[in-house]
Amino acid sequence: KAGVTQTPRYLIKTRGQQVTLSCSPISGHRSVSWYQQTPGQGLQFLFEYFSETQRNKGNFPGRFSGRQFSNSRSEMNVSTLELGDSALYLCASSTGQATPYEQYFGPGTRLTVT
Amino acid sequence: AQSVSQHNHHVILSEAASLELGCNYSYGGTVNLFWYVQYPGQHLQLLLKYFSGDPLVKGIKGFEAEFIKSKFSFNLRKPSVQWSDTAEYFCAVNAPGGGYQKVTFGIGTKLQVIP
Repeated sequence: KAGVTQTPRYLIKTRGQQVTLSCSPISGHRSVSWYQQTPGQGLQFLFEYFSETQRNKGNFPGRFSGRQFSNSRSEMNVSTLELGDSALYLCASSTGQATPYEQYFGPGTRLTVT
Repeated sequence: AQSVSQHNHHVILSEAASLELGCNYSYGGTVNLFWYVQYPGQHLQLLLKYFSGDPLVKGIKGFEAEFIKSKFSFNLRKPSVQWSDTAEYFCAVNAPGGGYQKVTFGIGTKLQVIP
């Protein structure tokens, strides 16, 4: 079974620009969660999508948004980039149905904002 | 809101030394607990998990963790570390219920094992 894939792996953007990151979950998984990983803060939960619906959200500003498609692939968008948005963005997939459930992580997208 | 504290941010050990990484969480109800590991250049992967039953859980590569409910702790242990255990370790907690689950991670502990 193929693992979680994320594209692109690396991105360099300028302040004020916007960016879209993509995540393809493991086949059969319907839940996709997004996390921001920084050295000082660890992993912080952004949001989770299940069957095209956002069903959980962390404490991030509205500049961070996402969506999920019918094939469970998910995209995350960050508008009006700030220097502090530089981080590793991780996507995790799971079945989203079993309680509790395990998450499988992708390699991440390294975003650098200059 | 649930939170997770990892007390040691950077640990350096010699090979064959014993390891214990602390993890405390704050949540009064039933919780599910995880330890994840991120080896250099690799994906975050599940090391072990506790859902219910025996509070001493065993994971991959000789790791184990003990859930002590009265102390709100889930410490990770390994009797004898190897150089290949050099990685970053994350404790995570989630509280089931409400039809969905949010997993809260600790800040991580970087383990460096010296040959």
